[in-house]
Amino acid sequence: GAGVSQSPRYKVAKRGQDVALRCDPISGHVSLFWYQQALGQGPEFLTYFQNEAQLDKSGLPSDRFFAERPEGSVSTLKIQRTQQEDSAVYLCASSALRGRTRAYEQYFGPGTRLTVT
Amino acid sequence: AQTVTQSQPEMSVQEAETVTLSCTYDTSESDYYLFWYKQPPSRQMILVIRQEAYKQQNATENRFSVNFQKAAKSFSLKISDSQLGDAAMYFCALREPGNQGGKLIFGQGTELSVKP
Repeated sequence: GAGVSQSPRYKVAKRGQDVALRCDPISGHVSLFWYQQALGQGPEFLTYFQNEAQLDKSGLPSDRFFAERPEGSVSTLKIQRTQQEDSAVYLCASSALRGRTRAYEQYFGPGTRLTVT
Repeated sequence: AQTVTQSQPEMSVQEAETVTLSCTYDTSESDYYLFWYKQPPSRQMILVIRQEAYKQQNATENRFSVNFQKAAKSFSLKISDSQLGDAAMYFCALREPGNQGGKLIFGQGTELSVKP
């Protein structure tokens, strides 16, 4: 596709339900990032993949959050036993970064707005 | 720890006028990258402009330019000839090459409104 896509665009979950959010990065992009954006705030880093390897998950707020990218392309962010504080927009971004020396642009998807009731 | 601060939650500008959005940051690295992203109500984050810290020349992209003051750790965005389509949230972001993959650290954002 032409850009990063995310699905669903909107998700309403009852507290305690599990949810799965999908990200389709730009074809061929090596790096994939997940960010969480609370209402009125800037995005905050959750986790990073290089191909299928999850190299940084320091931003995941709890062990209820789990992300995977098994074949190095599509990624899924799963939240178990959702809580009200999980309500936010979840953004996915991909880039062609292969090394540390160039600031390759991160291309963002439209996000998934999660509302936990 | 690296931080990014945007002290202007909201700004307003008249169409065709110039507006400057402020950003300060903190990092212990000497080599890093700074970005301004635009987020319209549709939520798609779009890169507006980027600056490499090792470059002394300020970046420009058409009507958008930055004032990068490395010693002061300041990175402001100037929008000239403002247009109605410039109305959006603007985020300043920092990337350190040493971080795995180059995660972005964002500021809190500045909401820009453009008056016709």
